[in-house]
Amino acid sequence: QKEVEQDPGPLSVPEGAIVSLNCTYSNSAFQYFMWYRQYSRKGPELLMYTYSSGNKEDGRFTAQVDKSSKYISLFIRDSQPSDSATYLCAMSPNNQGGKLIFGQGTELSVKP
Amino acid sequence: ETGVTQTPRHLVMGMTNKKSLKCEQHLGHNAMYWYKQSAKKPLELMFVYNFKEQTENNSVPSRFSPECPNSSHLFLHLHTLQPEDSALYLCASSNRTGVISYEQYFGPGTRLTVT
Repeated sequence: QKEVEQDPGPLSVPEGAIVSLNCTYSNSAFQYFMWYRQYSRKGPELLMYTYSSGNKEDGRFTAQVDKSSKYISLFIRDSQPSDSATYLCAMSPNNQGGKLIFGQGTELSVKP
Repeated sequence: ETGVTQTPRHLVMGMTNKKSLKCEQHLGHNAMYWYKQSAKKPLELMFVYNFKEQTENNSVPSRFSPECPNSSHLFLHLHTLQPEDSALYLCASSNRTGVISYEQYFGPGTRLTVT
């Protein structure tokens, strides 16, 4: 079983749709949860992070962590064509300085 | 130059060649990383350097040899690679704040093809 599972997609939605991206994980020691966005021919960039459980909102983006279910989500409201990218979830337990475990990424396409 | 730069952006090499990938970070960070990104697979951490010292070698074959001469530069020396080593090689950097370095800044990667 992979430590982090992420549906690779591709996911195609119309402009303005609400997008839900998800990851599940098996290691209950994970405490830090990140979402990275990777545009074509670019390196990943950090989009959001959360510590432990709960929600975090930043503009059109909301990250949710449910540690009891070992499930994290990224919601994108009013999706735009510029949101078309691959979204990678990543996780880290405490005391593992710098070692992130990534999901395989979900490819998202937002059609105008 | 800003952020994290990588050269070359594309590299084609034969299995008997020796080549090197270069990474430079202009962010004043003290940790640097090499990742391998293959199609439809998660990013695989290869090496971690903190303050120029290697702190992680994720069971990487010896045909990959990292070098970190200072906190701003990182190299990956390649020799006698296999076709399955073809992938996007990403360099990243971060600041070591406490024990977690979740905010990693990535370069654009080197697309490597082994023929």
